[in-house]
Amino acid sequence: AQTVTQSQPEMSVQEAETVTLSCTYDTSESDYYLFWYKQPPSRQMILVIRQEAYKQQNATENRFSVNFQKAAKSFSLKISDSQLGDAAMYFCAYRPSPGSSNTGKLIFGQGTTLQVKP
Amino acid sequence: DTEVTQTPKHLVMGMTNKKSLKCEQHMGHRAMYWYKQKAKKPPELMFVYSYEKLSINESVPSRFSPECPNSSLLNLHLHALQPEDSALYLCASSQPDRVLEKLFFGSGTQLSVL
Repeated sequence: AQTVTQSQPEMSVQEAETVTLSCTYDTSESDYYLFWYKQPPSRQMILVIRQEAYKQQNATENRFSVNFQKAAKSFSLKISDSQLGDAAMYFCAYRPSPGSSNTGKLIFGQGTTLQVKP
Repeated sequence: DTEVTQTPKHLVMGMTNKKSLKCEQHMGHRAMYWYKQKAKKPPELMFVYSYEKLSINESVPSRFSPECPNSSLLNLHLHALQPEDSALYLCASSQPDRVLEKLFFGSGTQLSVL
């Protein structure tokens, strides 16, 4: 069974600084998809960034980027120039490949609460 | 319209009540999901519907009964719930064949069982 681990329950960063959130996962599959979702106090889950496992190039979305290390099964999220609006709970998530019977399943890590200090 | 709408936003029910949660989307998505989320915990998948058919049931107790009457609507019928079922219930939708495509989540229904 696939598992996702986020070892940092809480992190804090100064506004305008950079922070990295860690995520590791365990799978025997070679093809899969990884995501970072953000859940602000409004409770709505919002996609931050996504990565296909077969792509070696790290995904970037404006101030958000990932460091994807497939061999190490690591998928960390870097937030640059942190803003107050980035404060939220961040979830790393794994999704099996389309050929898997569990392809509809999004497996979440335990989450990291990010505090942004002004 | 890129929203998933969930109603009601809050629900308080007794253990003998029957209630329903409703989820609606008009993005043409053919996969819809129910997740349960406890405070400060990740969402846990309950059910997945793909093309209006139940494709995944994560061994959810029968007091939770999902229904997908059409491609835009997803219901979760609740009966004889327990206090430990109190949680945030999130609905999501996506295109079932596009794995990389994001799930669109609603804002959830906060359920309290007394």
